Amino acid sequence: QQPVQSPQAVILREGEDAVINCSSSKALYSVHWYRQKHGEAPVFLMILLKGGEQKGHEKISASFNEKKQQSSLYLTASQLSYSGTYFCGTGEDSGGSNYKLTFGKGTLLTVNP
Amino acid sequence: DSGVTQTPKHLITATGQRVTLRCSPRSGDLSVYWYQQSLDQGLQFLIQYYNGEERAKGNILERFSAQQFPDLHSELNLSSLELGDSALYFCASSGGQGRYGYTFGSGTRLTVV
Repeated sequence: QQPVQSPQAVILREGEDAVINCSSSKALYSVHWYRQKHGEAPVFLMILLKGGEQKGHEKISASFNEKKQQSSLYLTASQLSYSGTYFCGTGEDSGGSNYKLTFGKGTLLTVNP
Repeated sequence: DSGVTQTPKHLITATGQRVTLRCSPRSGDLSVYWYQQSLDQGLQFLIQYYNGEERAKGNILERFSAQQFPDLHSELNLSSLELGDSALYFCASSGGQGRYGYTFGSGTRLTVV
C-alpha cells in the first residue's frame, strides 16, 4: 500500500520553513526520507525506526508517530539547495533480509531566492 | 559517485525487443532492489535480492525477470518490450537489515520506440 504524501507541491522563499507529511494505512516499522533532484538519483536523508528517536540532519529533521502511522519531515530556514522532490518510503516488517520500501508519490519542493 | 553502478545510462530500443540492465551494489551491501520510476507512478518497487536469493517481489510484470549473481551484481531483464515500459529504472543497495538507508544508482533511462 503506497503511503500518501502531502502536500504534492510547495513553493518557498529562501529562509522559510516547510513540513512534508507521509501517512500510511498500515502499521509501520520504519520510515525513510529521500530527496531527488531533477535527472538524478534519490539521495537518502534519514531513517526513523519504530521505537526510535526523532532524527535530525542540519536544518532537516523528522518525526515518526507510530500509533498514527505518520511521519513528518521538517525543513527549517530553507536554502536553494533544498529544492527537489522529497519521497517518503515506508517499511512494514521488522527488518531482516526480507525488506522492501514502498514509496509515496513525492512532494515537489521549490525554493526561490 | 554513490557506490552503486548501473549500466547502461541510456537505452533506446524497439517494441518487442529484450534488454538487460546491470547493477553493481555498494561494497559490502548484500541487498539489491530494483525500482521503476515513471512520471505518474513515482518509484514502483519491482524486486529485491539478498545475497543471491529473491526475497521480495512487487508489481513486476511476468515479462520482467531479475537475478543476483555470486559476486552480488544484479541484472534486470525486460522482454517483449512495450511503449509503456519506457521509464527510469533504478537499482539500490543496502545492508538489507531494514535499519539502513538505500543507496541508489544513477539509473538507466529506457526508451521504447
